[in-house]
Amino acid sequence: DSGVTQTPKHLITATGQRVTLRCSPRSGDLSVYWYQQSLDQGLQFLIQYYNGEERAKGNILERFSAQQFPDLHSELNLSSLELGDSALYFCASTTDRFDNEQFFGPGTRLTVL
Amino acid sequence: GQNIDQPTEMTATEGAIVQINCTYQTSGFNGLFWYQQHAGEAPTFLSYNVLDGLEEKGRFSSFLSRSKGYSYLLLKELQMKDSASYLCAVRLTYYGGATNKLIFGTGTLLAVQP
Repeated sequence: DSGVTQTPKHLITATGQRVTLRCSPRSGDLSVYWYQQSLDQGLQFLIQYYNGEERAKGNILERFSAQQFPDLHSELNLSSLELGDSALYFCASTTDRFDNEQFFGPGTRLTVL
Repeated sequence: GQNIDQPTEMTATEGAIVQINCTYQTSGFNGLFWYQQHAGEAPTFLSYNVLDGLEEKGRFSSFLSRSKGYSYLLLKELQMKDSASYLCAVRLTYYGGATNKLIFGTGTLLAVQP
């Protein structure tokens, strides 16, 4: 158990819908990272937040947005869902912005039908 | 663009040694990481190299050559539980500044056989 929690564990929804994935970092960690893992593309970095501010951005679609709240939990919002958005979404956390070891949560499996 | 290459699959025998290679071509480099991921589970950190050479950590060792854009992960005394996907990742820098953005390879699926 890494200490990072993600909810929900599974999510099944339809195309065109909007969902919110939630992540709580390890106690004391200020930085949160979101990743998407699909079968054909591997683990893709989406976005990093540090203490509430966006710090780095990957190939995150405009239909996706994220934020980190004052209590340091983070939410990833996915809208206008498409079949291709079906994937495992992982959240990871570190104490600082540049820590070497990222601690990953168990992931949310999103299925878009 | 960023490019990280790893073999897709490898098979090895319990008790043996296996080497998983990773080559990279990225704009900026601030360290290379190896993660282990069992099917359906979260990746877990194995090792980190930022300078050339070998880092040893129990049964696992990782090597880096920055001039060649090359790394390998060496697993010794293989156990059945080592059957997993091994992900190579490069940490990028931007405009000379630090970042913790990781670019992952697609992973090498290792099957350990009895």
